[in-house]
Amino acid sequence: AQSVSQHNHHVILSEAASLELGCNYSYGGTVNLFWYVQYPGQHLQLLLKYFSGDPLVKGIKGFEAEFIKSKFSFNLRKPSVQWSDTAEYFCAVNDSGGYQKVTFGTGTKLQVIP
Amino acid sequence: NAGVTQTPKFQVLKTGQSMTLQCAQDMNHEYMSWYRQDPGMGLRLIHYSVGAGITDQGEVPNGYNVSRSTTEDFPLRLLSAAPSQTSVYFCASSYGGGLREQYFGPGTRLTVT
Repeated sequence: AQSVSQHNHHVILSEAASLELGCNYSYGGTVNLFWYVQYPGQHLQLLLKYFSGDPLVKGIKGFEAEFIKSKFSFNLRKPSVQWSDTAEYFCAVNDSGGYQKVTFGTGTKLQVIP
Repeated sequence: NAGVTQTPKFQVLKTGQSMTLQCAQDMNHEYMSWYRQDPGMGLRLIHYSVGAGITDQGEVPNGYNVSRSTTEDFPLRLLSAAPSQTSVYFCASSYGGGLREQYFGPGTRLTVT
């Protein structure tokens, strides 16, 4: 069974600091990878996704993620965070051969201090 | 489009009571799913459906039932509520199953006393 690990549970940064959130998955086959964001009091929304092609994907609000197949990783990055980035971030993986199930990580809470 | 809607937003149940959480989408998505979100555990898949009349179990199906009689609706039934089912429940839909972006509803916060 596939699994997703997010090792950073709670991250606190000052505005303008750089961000990198780790995501590792365990599955040996072809995968589709996602980052979702949940702003306080809101529902989850897609930040970015990787299906194939360029392993560096860009999402909304200046976020990007890099898929490194050899490391089974899909880390999320942003060069300069803003207070409005305060949210919980979830990595998710789908076995692209399996179609049905998406497995989510436990989430990382990001707090950006003005 | 309203997207994915869920009712109610909040619910308090007593142990042993039953109830149905409603979920509807107007995007003609064939894939719908239910997750529960608990602190430190992320989102866990309860049940999912790949089309009307087809449902299957996810990671944590015990204590929950689903049915999918139409493309639009995917209700989640709690048969006999237990305190362990206190959680926030999210419904999601997708046009490409788990392969594609899922659109989430606003969630239902359920407390079982």
